[in-house]
Amino acid sequence: EDQVTQSPEALRLQEGESSSLNCSYTVSGLRGLFWYRQDPGKGPEFLFTLYSAGEEKEKERLKATLTKKESFLHITAPKPEDSATYLCAVGAVGKTSYDKVIFGPGTSLSVIP
Amino acid sequence: DVKVTQSSRYLVKRTGEKVFLECVQDMDHENMFWYRQDPGLGLRLIYFSYDVKMKEKGDIPEGYSVSREKKERFSLILESASTNQTSMYLCASRADRGLKPLHFGNGTRLTVT
Repeated sequence: EDQVTQSPEALRLQEGESSSLNCSYTVSGLRGLFWYRQDPGKGPEFLFTLYSAGEEKEKERLKATLTKKESFLHITAPKPEDSATYLCAVGAVGKTSYDKVIFGPGTSLSVIP
Repeated sequence: DVKVTQSSRYLVKRTGEKVFLECVQDMDHENMFWYRQDPGLGLRLIYFSYDVKMKEKGDIPEGYSVSREKKERFSLILESASTNQTSMYLCASRADRGLKPLHFGNGTRLTVT
């Protein structure tokens, strides 16, 4: 069964304290992996797409990496405005010709000043 | 920027009522999606549409139906609302088939009493 898990469920960091969020997946026919950010009361906002193992993408204090079984979202010197829930989603071959997207449950990040 | 607009931010309905959730996107996207988001469960796909008047069941279609009469509009219908349909409902659109990112609306929080 296709599955996406994320850890930790919640993470509290001091401002400036770097850390990583993990996304592990078990899917057949992986086509790529997405990271989204979701602020309270809002819909998810797209951050990155990673297509193959070894690929890395960066945006400000965020860097996403991908291996064959998992992805990491590294947060360097976070600021309070980085506080949000980070969602991982995997794109895979669906039953029809349309790709399916499977979301993980998310990691809630709080950055304390 | 893509804009996905959901007609209501909050809805309170009674058990047994027929409920309509409306979603409009302004970027001429072919694909549109309805998800529900529940704590600890992540986003789960209810239905999606890859073209006008076309629809496909997602992972949890029971108790729901959809309508797509125009390309920009995708409606989710709860035929007879039940308390276990209390949730956050998120609409999303995507440019075309393939591994493109989803663009989400800000959600409708539905409470069924």
